[in-house]
Amino acid sequence: DAGVTQSPTHLIKTRGQQVTLRCSPKSGHDTVSWYQQALGQGPQFIFQYYEEEERQRGNFPDRFSGHQFPNYSSELNVNALLLGDSALYLCASSLLKGWGEQFFGPGTRLTVL
Amino acid sequence: DQQVKQNSPSLSVQEGRISILNCDYTNSMFDYFLWYKKYPAEGPTFLISISSIKDKNEDGRFTVFLNKSAKHLSLHIVPSQPGDSAVYFCAALSGNTGKLIFGQGTTLQVKP
Repeated sequence: DAGVTQSPTHLIKTRGQQVTLRCSPKSGHDTVSWYQQALGQGPQFIFQYYEEEERQRGNFPDRFSGHQFPNYSSELNVNALLLGDSALYLCASSLLKGWGEQFFGPGTRLTVL
Repeated sequence: DQQVKQNSPSLSVQEGRISILNCDYTNSMFDYFLWYKKYPAEGPTFLISISSIKDKNEDGRFTVFLNKSAKHLSLHIVPSQPGDSAVYFCAALSGNTGKLIFGQGTTLQVKP
């Protein structure tokens, strides 16, 4: 059983560009949450998708948007990249709209120059 | 406002001894707590969890204790092994949100 997968592994962009990150949840999981982890910090919740809709959102600007597809996979889009967006982006999959264990992918390391 | 706090950035223990990692929270609405372990360049790996209706949960070498009145939880690892060396994150959930709130992490080093 494949766990949570994310692509790409690493990404380098310049300020002002746009980026799309992808996530496939564990088999059988219907809820995908996205987190941003800055260096030396714990992951910060960005938003959560369930039934193809954004169900919860953390304290992130509208430049951060997402999508969930009928097969439960998800994308995270960030527009107008800032240097401060450089971080590890983590996807977590779960059941029950995220209540209970959430299982994380390996993350995408985004560097903005 | 940091709702989940891990006040010890690092901890060093000898192999075979007990490791105790601590976590405090401020939000009384949290009703589920989780511990994750993270190696560099990997995503967090789920270790163990506890519901707010319990005060203890064990899984092999790992035990989590919850003291609701003190808003405090701890993770005990016995016996500690060098492979346990990693960053440990405490996280909390409130049932109606589904979003994990993480602490800052504690780096555990287990010396052979």
